[in-house]
This record gives sequence, structure tokens and C-alpha cells, in this order.
Amino acid sequence: NAGVTQTPKFRILKIGQSMTLQCTQDMNHNYMYWYRQDPGMGLKLIYYSVGAGITDKGEVPNGYNVSRSTTEDFPLRLELAAPSQTSVYFCASSTGLGYEQYFGPGTRLTVT
Amino acid sequence: DQQVKQNSPSLSVQEGRISILNCDYTNSMFDYFLWYKKYPAEGPTFLISISSIKDKNEDGRFTVFLNKSAKHLSLHIVPSQPGDSAVYFCAASEGSGAGSYQLTFGKGTKLSVIP
Repeated sequence: NAGVTQTPKFRILKIGQSMTLQCTQDMNHNYMYWYRQDPGMGLKLIYYSVGAGITDKGEVPNGYNVSRSTTEDFPLRLELAAPSQTSVYFCASSTGLGYEQYFGPGTRLTVT
Repeated sequence: DQQVKQNSPSLSVQEGRISILNCDYTNSMFDYFLWYKKYPAEGPTFLISISSIKDKNEDGRFTVFLNKSAKHLSLHIVPSQPGDSAVYFCAASEGSGAGSYQLTFGKGTKLSVIP
């Protein structure tokens, strides 16, 4: 079991560029999440999904989009990158609502 | 409005002694609490959890205590080991209903265990 994998590990974007952060889990979890962590702060939920084809906004969704076409994959799309999106992004999955979530290693994104 | 607060950004403890990490919350709807541990350049890993129907949960060297009336929980690590040096996040969720998908995290406490 690889658990939750994320690619890329690091990325530098110019302002206005777009990119997709990839997330895959092999635990057959229905629930998947995207968080961002800014320096010295806790994790904030961007989007979540309760199953293939079903997504919803979290606390900080502006500037991001998601899709969930399969149980395994939950990509996060950044359109028109802004410096405020410089952060570390974590994908997570779980078997149930609000319970133990398993996190990927993160993607460190810098927008300049 | 921070619903989960970890007021100590850092804590240093001698190896073999007890580490106590504290967490306060303001949302009375929270009824499930978790602690995560995070090493640099890695994702958080689940450590231990507690439901609001309990006031203590123990797993090896790790014990979490919950005081519902004070809206306070703490994580005790005994004995502390150098490998415990990491950032510890407290998180909370509402066990059912629309908010139950969401974990609300504190800002974390960096624990350093000195050999």
C-alpha cells in the first residue's frame, strides 16, 4: 500500500499560470480532502469529496477547483495563480466523516 | 475566529521526562478530537483520538485527556524520546451532521526532546 501519494513535491509558478496538483490513494477510501498549510498556521480545508462525482467547498475554496472522477484520484486545479496561493498543499483520505485522515507528503508551491 | 487553539508554539523536554501538549477549543459542537504528528517535509500522521463520551484514551506512551467542561484536551507522552521531536497538531470535528466531514486544526506545537 502506497497510501496517499501527491505529485509534484515542489513547484514554482509565475503569477497567472495554472497547474494541477495530483493526488491518488490506494486504500479505497470514499472521502478525500485538500488542505493548505501556511507558515505557522494549522491546516485549512480547501475542498473535499465524499465519493466519485461528489465534491464540495471547504473553508478556503477561492482560486481552486477540484474534480473526482474515480475513487482513487482527487486532483486540485489552480487557475490564475496568485502569490497568496504560496503554501504547502496536503491531500488526505479517510474511511469516514471527520475520522482519522491519512495524509500525503505534500506539495510545496511557490507563486512569484 | 480560531476554534481550536494551541497556545504554546513550542515546548522543550528532556528525554525520559513527560511531555504535555495542550489544546483548547471553543465550539461546543465538537465531539471528536484527534492528535496528529508531523515531521518536516512529511504529511501529518494520525497519533491518537478521543470521543467526547470518554475522558481518557491511552495508546502505549501516548495518552489524551479530555475535559469537556473546560473545553480542554491534552496529550501526554511518557517517557519522551528524541524521535518524538515533531510538530503536534490538535484537531476536532463534529461527529455527525454537516460539519462532520471537516477537521478543524490548531496551529501546532513544536516539541523538541533533548537527549
